[in-house]
Amino acid sequence: GAGVSQSPSNKVTEKGKDVELRCDPISGHTALYWYRQSLGQGLEFLIYFQGNSAPDKSGLPSDRFSAERTGGSVSTLTIQRTQQEDSAVYLCASSRPGGTGELFFGEGSRLTVL
Amino acid sequence: QKEVEQDPGPLSVPEGAIVSLNCTYSNSAFQYFMWYRQYSRKGPELLMYTYSSGNKEDGRFTAQVDKSSKYISLFIRDSQPSDSATYLCAMSALAGANSKLTFGKGITLSVRP
Repeated sequence: GAGVSQSPSNKVTEKGKDVELRCDPISGHTALYWYRQSLGQGLEFLIYFQGNSAPDKSGLPSDRFSAERTGGSVSTLTIQRTQQEDSAVYLCASSRPGGTGELFFGEGSRLTVL
Repeated sequence: QKEVEQDPGPLSVPEGAIVSLNCTYSNSAFQYFMWYRQYSRKGPELLMYTYSSGNKEDGRFTAQVDKSSKYISLFIRDSQPSDSATYLCAMSALAGANSKLTFGKGITLSVRP
């Protein structure tokens, strides 16, 4: 596709349920990032993939959060046993090899945990 | 102290005003500085990219970096209602696709017609 695609765009779930958020990066972009944007908190780094490996998972807030990337393309962010504080917009971004590091963002998945 | 500090605003100005947005940072390893613009319910998009200290101009936008003071600025001249958005500063120590960006909290700008 022309840009980074994320799904679902909106997700409302009950506390304790698991959710999966999907990101389809721009074709040919080898690096993929997940960020979380909460009201008043800015963009919080979660995890970074280079190809299928994740050299930097330092931003994952707890072991309830995990992410994988298969085929060097699509990535899934999974949140288990969701809590109300997980409510946020989850943004995915990709960047091309050999570039300046400019991140191209999707429109985000807005998660609301009731 | 957070690595990147940005006044959260909000900021409201009349059309045609000059806008100054600023960020300070504490990590002296940062060398690459960016400003992203984010419209409501959209993802951020890159607006300006600069390396090390100095100025960069692009149309009505000027980015300034002062590494000695650990201070960066974005100036918008002749502001337009279409400039109404959230502006986020971002910075990294490395260039390229393996560079993890650290963002400020963002400031919401409203330009009144």
